[in-house]
Amino acid sequence: KQEVTQIPAALSVPEGENLVLNCSFTDSAIYNLQWFRQDPGKGLTSLLLIQSSQREQTSGRLNASLDKSSGRSTLYIAASQPGDSATYLCAVRPIRTGNQFYFGTGTSLTVIP
Amino acid sequence: SQTIHQWPATLVQPVGSPLSLECTVEGTSNPNLYWYRQAAGRGLQLLFYSVGIGQISSEVPQNLSASRPQDRQFILSSKKLLLSDSGFYLCAWSVGLAHNEQFFGPGTRLTVL
Repeated sequence: KQEVTQIPAALSVPEGENLVLNCSFTDSAIYNLQWFRQDPGKGLTSLLLIQSSQREQTSGRLNASLDKSSGRSTLYIAASQPGDSATYLCAVRPIRTGNQFYFGTGTSLTVIP
Repeated sequence: SQTIHQWPATLVQPVGSPLSLECTVEGTSNPNLYWYRQAAGRGLQLLFYSVGIGQISSEVPQNLSASRPQDRQFILSSKKLLLSDSGFYLCAWSVGLAHNEQFFGPGTRLTVL
């Protein structure tokens, strides 16, 4: 069964700092990997989707990379802002299970003004 | 554009009472639909997913059930709630077999007393 791990579980940084969130998964046979943001008490907002054939995706200050062979993805946030404070989750879609997604437990990010 | 609705937003129910949570998707056809539960301090747990009307796959044996009476409607039910059913319930959708991203609704906060 696919297992997804996110380290660290929590991260606190001063405003303006660049930061990296990590996601690792055990089964590298995936269709894609998706990064989400979740604000307290809210649903998940899709940030970036990386297909298995891609190495990275960028959206604004966000850059996600994928190293499928090593089972790792990183989410890079440039010039962090207090509004970036949220929980960030990654999810993979294994080829073996098709329609199912497997989620990590998330990294809770706090950006201090 | 596609939108996903969940209701109610919050719900407080006594132990042993029935449950019905509803999810509807607009702006797309034949979506894959998912029910997740997010308990405090834990990751997302996939409960059910559906690839079409009347087609339900259960991931976790429990006292919950799901139904899909219409193409864009997904219902989560229980005949008798347990304390352990408390949590944040999220509905999600995706389109296609493999490569498309998943989108989430705003969630329902369920408290069982």
